[in-house]
Amino acid sequence: GEDVEQSLFLSVREGDSSVINCTYTDSSSTYLYWYKQEPGAGLQLLTYIFSNMDMKQDQRLTVLLNKKDKHLSLRIADTQTGDSAIYFCAENPYGQNFVFGPGTRLSVLP
Amino acid sequence: KAGVTQTPRYLIKTRGQQVTLSCSPISGHRSVSWYQQTPGQGLQFLFEYFSETQRNKGNFPGRFSGRQFSNSRSEMNVSTLELGDSALYLCASSTEGNYGYTFGSGTRLTVV
Repeated sequence: GEDVEQSLFLSVREGDSSVINCTYTDSSSTYLYWYKQEPGAGLQLLTYIFSNMDMKQDQRLTVLLNKKDKHLSLRIADTQTGDSAIYFCAENPYGQNFVFGPGTRLSVLP
Repeated sequence: KAGVTQTPRYLIKTRGQQVTLSCSPISGHRSVSWYQQTPGQGLQFLFEYFSETQRNKGNFPGRFSGRQFSNSRSEMNVSTLELGDSALYLCASSTEGNYGYTFGSGTRLTVV
């Protein structure tokens, strides 16, 4: 079966960079995704990366993909208090639905 | 463009009752998926509908069912509610291109 793994908690100081890591299992996933969930809300698609790319940058967000190790990371530069949320990594195995990781709760300390 | 709309936002039901949750996808999105989110189990896939047909189903008992209408709106139904069904139920819609789901804000169901 597919299991997406993430560490559950991360604390950083405001202004520092945050790096959230994820490992996935299914190499058939064409895209890999990062979602953000704020309290009381649904999931918001932050960014996604095509599986034949190594890196994608979008403003303060950088996604790195190591397909050989099935490792995905999300770097948030200049982390702000508004970035405090739960971040989910997700894969989309061919012909199947999205599989989400357990989520990493990011706490940004002033 | 309106987002994914889920109604109601909050619901309290008693054990043994049944409940129906509604989801209106983004206009033009024909795929609607449902997830259950709980603190212990995380996000678990319930089912996906595409053009009124159930395309995929997760590992949930038959008490959980759904349907999709010709306008792509979807409903899910849970019968004979149990305390363990208390959760945030999230609906997500997508295009065929698979560029990620767009989620609604969810329906928080509490079973007492």
